[in-house]
Amino acid sequence: AQSVSQHNHHVILSEAASLELGCNYSYGGTVNLFWYVQYPGQHLQLLLKYFSGDPLVKGIKGFEAEFIKSKFSFNLRKPSVQWSDTAEYFCAVNGYGNNRLAFGKGNQVVVIP
Amino acid sequence: GAVVSQHPSRVICKSGTSVKIECRSLDFQATTMFWYRQFPKKSLMLMATSNEGSKATYEQGVEKDKFLINHASLTLSTLTVTSAHPEDSSFYICSARMISGGGETQYFGPGTRLLVL
Repeated sequence: AQSVSQHNHHVILSEAASLELGCNYSYGGTVNLFWYVQYPGQHLQLLLKYFSGDPLVKGIKGFEAEFIKSKFSFNLRKPSVQWSDTAEYFCAVNGYGNNRLAFGKGNQVVVIP
Repeated sequence: GAVVSQHPSRVICKSGTSVKIECRSLDFQATTMFWYRQFPKKSLMLMATSNEGSKATYEQGVEKDKFLINHASLTLSTLTVTSAHPEDSSFYICSARMISGGGETQYFGPGTRLLVL
């Protein structure tokens, strides 16, 4: 079965600081990888995804993620956060041919103005 | 593109009644949709996979007779919580699967807040 680990559930940082959220998964085969964001009071939105190709993926709002196959990781980064990035961030994985997503427990990120 | 809607956004009902929640993919067709529950401060729990034209696939521990799923068309799936009880109070979220770009992506609806009194 596939599983996803996200560490440091609560992250508090100041505006303009850099953000990195870790995501590790356990699945031996080909994977599709996703980061979703849930702003306060809103629904889950797709931030970025990786299917194949360049392991450095750029998403919306200045976010990027890097797939490192050897480390089973797909960490999310943003060089300079804004107050509006306050949200919960979920990493998700599905194995090739398996349409069910496995979610991590999420990272609650609070950006202080 | 890739917009998924849910209706109603919130519902309050009495214990013992049934509640139907609709999930629609507005700008794409989805042969597969998914139903999740989200508990406070926790991640999403997959309840079932809804397949257009066939029976839904339920996750272990989810009662199929209690949570009835109907995927009547390529843009609509419904979840009916039958004989609802207070412990069924939760945030129910659906997603619709889009196949493109060499992979599959789930796009999520805004969720339905159910409160059973």
